[in-house]
Amino acid sequence: GQNIDQPTEMTATEGAIVQINCTYQTSGFNGLFWYQQHAGEAPTFLSYNVLDGLEEKGRFSSFLSRSKGYSYLLLKELQMKDSASYLCAVRDQDYKLSFGAGTTVTVRA
Amino acid sequence: IAGITQAPTSQILAAGRRMTLRCTQDMRHNAMYWYRQDLGLGLRLIHYSNTAGTTGKGEVPDGYSVSRANTDDFPLTLASAVPSQTSVYFCASSKAGDSGELFFGEGSRLTVL
Repeated sequence: GQNIDQPTEMTATEGAIVQINCTYQTSGFNGLFWYQQHAGEAPTFLSYNVLDGLEEKGRFSSFLSRSKGYSYLLLKELQMKDSASYLCAVRDQDYKLSFGAGTTVTVRA
Repeated sequence: IAGITQAPTSQILAAGRRMTLRCTQDMRHNAMYWYRQDLGLGLRLIHYSNTAGTTGKGEVPDGYSVSRANTDDFPLTLASAVPSQTSVYFCASSKAGDSGELFFGEGSRLTVL
């Protein structure tokens, strides 16, 4: 099974940088995903890591260390529309995705 | 527009009643999933199907059943609803391959009284 931990809430100022950490314990690792979910909406895909290192996609970057069971999502140049819940998810060898409880990010002006 | 369609969007149901949540995708994805989302607990996998004709149990399967007669449809049935099944239910699909990102439907909000 999977055990995925991430902070419950984070607050940051518009234009700033926020880093959301995720630690996991898994019986079979086959990739780590980050999703964004606005209140009342469905989750949408942000990033995918399967090898160690940093994946950059515009203002968002995601990092993975498989040996440490650790990932982070970095949000740069924060905008008000980035206020949302960010979900860390781990895929196992059967291609099932398990999610953390999510981190609610509030961006303040 | 390609994607995943769930129905109903919202439903209030008396305890003990049978309920089927419908999910259809037109992206020809192999795999489909049902999750429930509860405050503070995040998304939890109920059942999944890696290909038409096969299904598997997720983290919280009790009280739910699924079928996968074809590629496009993946209904979730509550045989006898209980109040603890009050939740938001999301159907998702993914294609085979390395990234295999999930595409989610808009969700079905179910209240069991």
